[in-house]
Order: sequence, then C-alpha cells, then structure tokens
Amino acid sequence: SQKIEQNSEALNIQEGKTATLTCNYTNYSPAYLQWYRQDPGRGPVFLLLIRENEKEKRKERLKVTFDTTLKQSLFHITASQPADSATYLCALDFNSGNTPLVFGKGTRLSVIA
Amino acid sequence: DTAVSQTPKYLVTQMGNDKSIKCEQNLGHDTMYWYKQDSKKFLKIMFSYNNKELIINETVPNRFSPKSPDKAHLNLHINSLELGDSAVYFCASSQTLRVVNTGELFFGEGSRLTVL
Repeated sequence: SQKIEQNSEALNIQEGKTATLTCNYTNYSPAYLQWYRQDPGRGPVFLLLIRENEKEKRKERLKVTFDTTLKQSLFHITASQPADSATYLCALDFNSGNTPLVFGKGTRLSVIA
Repeated sequence: DTAVSQTPKYLVTQMGNDKSIKCEQNLGHDTMYWYKQDSKKFLKIMFSYNNKELIINETVPNRFSPKSPDKAHLNLHINSLELGDSAVYFCASSQTLRVVNTGELFFGEGSRLTVL
C-alpha cells in the first residue's frame, strides 16, 4: 500500500534561518503533491501544490520541490519567523476520482526567536 | 464568513451513545469529505461524497453513517460509540473530485470527540 513519511516529527530552527521539511513516499508517484499548514486546534490550510512535471514551485517565502526519481518533496521556508511555527503536512494527490488525498503525519516546526 | 463550518466543536459522551456531527460548506463545491485525526495526528479519509453521492468509504465500521442531504451539507452519525472513536473529525470540501487545476481541500475547524 502507498506510504508517505515526513522526515521528523519535530524540527526546531532559529529565526531567520531556512527550514527544510522532507516528505518521502513509496510505490506510485502522485500526479500532484500538496502541502498544508495546521495550527493547534485548527483545520489544515492549503499552502502549495506541485505537479509531477514541475521541479519547483514558489510562493513568497515558501518553496517546494518534487523529485519523482527520489520519490521525495522538500518544503522550504526561508527567513523563518516565529509565526511560521506550526505542523506542516504533505499529501499525495493521485488526481483520481476515487482516490483521496493521502496525508503524512506532519512535521511540527518551531521557530525560535 | 466561514467557508466550511462544522458543529459541535467539542463533544464529550459516554460509551454506547449515538452522536452526530454536522458540516456545511458555502463555497459551492461539489465534493465533501470526512477525515479522522487520531492522537498520533494521522489524517485518514473516512468518506467522500460528490454531489450527494457516496464515492469513497474507507474501511470504516458501519456504526459510522454519513448523510448528504444536499451538496452543501455532509453530516456524520455515529452509533454505539466506543473508546477508540475518540479523535478529531474534520470535514473538508473541494471544488470537484477529479481535479484539473487545483485539488486543494478546504477544512473545517474540527470536532473533538471524547468518548468516556
């Protein structure tokens, strides 16, 4: 069955540094890969989507890469701020009517001032 | 104006009881979902409805029964609650099930169910 792993449960980083979160998957490559942010007690909020034929996607301080050979996506936050502290979830999207998004367990990022 | 709203936000109940969680979306989306997030934080799909029609039913005990009276609403009814049902239940919606441009999900704030 399809598995998805996010590199670490928790990541602490100093303010101003670049945070890098990893998402690895097994078996089939999805059509898309999505990243969400979840704050405590809240629902996940969509951040970015990257297609299998895209190497990189950027949005403000966020950058996502997608390597279907390595079966890996990297999520970067540059110039990190304490307000970036949250859990970040990656999700595989097979773009199939009957296949739901498959979410990873998430990485809890703490940005320390 | 809340896009995906679910009630109640908290639900504490005894084992064996029956309870319901309601969800409404005002985004005009065709597809709605129920996800369960357990204590280990995994978000697992339970059900998906597209235009009121059940599309996905992921190995969920039949004590759980979703109902979609119209495409803006997807309710979840749980019979004979068990301790293991304690979790946060998230409702979500997406524009359509088969996506072309973006397949993002819009989540509600979650309903924390505690079974004692």
